[in-house]
Amino acid sequence: GAGVSQSPSNKVTEKGKDVELRCDPISGHTALYWYRQSLGQGLEFLIYFQGNSAPDKSGLPSDRFSAERTGGSVSTLTIQRTQQEDSAVYLCASSRAGVPTEAFFGQGTRLTVV
Amino acid sequence: DQQVKQNSPSLSVQEGRISILNCDYTNSMFDYFLWYKKYPAEGPTFLISISSIKDKNEDGRFTVFLNKSAKHLSLHIVPSQPGDSAVYFCAASDSRDDKIIFGKGTRLHILP
Repeated sequence: GAGVSQSPSNKVTEKGKDVELRCDPISGHTALYWYRQSLGQGLEFLIYFQGNSAPDKSGLPSDRFSAERTGGSVSTLTIQRTQQEDSAVYLCASSRAGVPTEAFFGQGTRLTVV
Repeated sequence: DQQVKQNSPSLSVQEGRISILNCDYTNSMFDYFLWYKKYPAEGPTFLISISSIKDKNEDGRFTVFLNKSAKHLSLHIVPSQPGDSAVYFCAASDSRDDKIIFGKGTRLHILP
């Protein structure tokens, strides 16, 4: 596709349930990022994939969060046993390898935990 | 530890005047800096960038200034227009790994 695609656009889930958020990056982009934006907050880095290197998971807030990137393309962010504080907009971005470069973002998934 | 800081959560500027958004960073290994703009219910979009080998980059109404010794950059928008009302994120990257770190953003209101 022409841009970064995220699905679903909105997700309401009950506390304690698991959720999966999907990101389809721009074709050919080897770098993929997940961020989240909580209400009134900035962009919080979660995880970063670059090519075949081990992902940088340093931003994941707890072990309930995990992400994978299959075949170097599509990525899934999984949140287990969701809590109300997980409610946020989850944004995915992709970029070409190397600097200078810029990341292109998807529209985000708005997650609401009730 | 916040590596990229935008200390002004919001800024109001009269239409036609200059908007100046500021950003500070702590990691001296950052060598590429970006500004993104975000409208409500949309993902951030890339606006302008600057490499650490430069101190100024201009693109139309937008100019980014970099002061490496102060670890400070700023985005100037002149003249400011109503469509510039948005949240602006400052971001920085280290070419060793390309990870992009964002600040918390500054909400810019352009007043009629």
